[in-house]
Amino acid sequence: AQTVTQSQPEMSVQEAETVTLSCTYDTSESDYYLFWYKQPPSRQMILVIRQEAYKQQNATENRFSVNFQKAAKSFSLKISDSQLGDAAMYFCAYRLYSGGSNYKLTFGKGTLLTVNP
Amino acid sequence: EAGVAQSPRYKIIEKRQSVAFWCNPISGHATLYWYQQILGQGPKLLIQFQNNGVVDDSQLPKDRFSAERLKGVDSTLKIQPAKLEDSAVYLCASSLGGDRGKTQYFGPGTRLLVL
Repeated sequence: AQTVTQSQPEMSVQEAETVTLSCTYDTSESDYYLFWYKQPPSRQMILVIRQEAYKQQNATENRFSVNFQKAAKSFSLKISDSQLGDAAMYFCAYRLYSGGSNYKLTFGKGTLLTVNP
Repeated sequence: EAGVAQSPRYKIIEKRQSVAFWCNPISGHATLYWYQQILGQGPKLLIQFQNNGVVDDSQLPKDRFSAERLKGVDSTLKIQPAKLEDSAVYLCASSLGGDRGKTQYFGPGTRLLVL
């Protein structure tokens, strides 16, 4: 079974600084997707960034980028120029690339990010 | 484009009562998911529908939980009877069918408190 581990229950960062959230996962599959989702206090889960395992290039979305290390099964999220609106719970998630028709997400326990002004 | 809609947003019930949650996915999304998110944990899949057929309900406590997706659009999740440990946020998500559905879009969730 696939598992996702986020070892940092809480992180804090100063506004405009950079912070990195860690995620490791365990799978015997070679083709899969990895995601970072953001969940602000309003509870609406929003996709931040997605990485396909077959792609060697790390995904980037504006101030958000990932460091994907497939061999190490590591998938960290870097937030540059942190803003107050980045404060939220961040979840790392895994999904098989093609699981027949089963596309469930397996989530980590989350990292609560605080942004200090 | 309208997002995933859920209702109610909050529900408080006594243990052994029943409760139902409703979800309306993004138009055109064939796949619908119900997740349970207990405080301090990541969401856990309860059931996945592909159109109106069940793909995965291995984590659904079938003695008390049931779900349906009539006509392949809206879905309801029911708990009967509720237990204290069912207190959680119930998230509905949807995606395009098949491998095109790389991304799941989540609704705002229903926060359930069982007393």
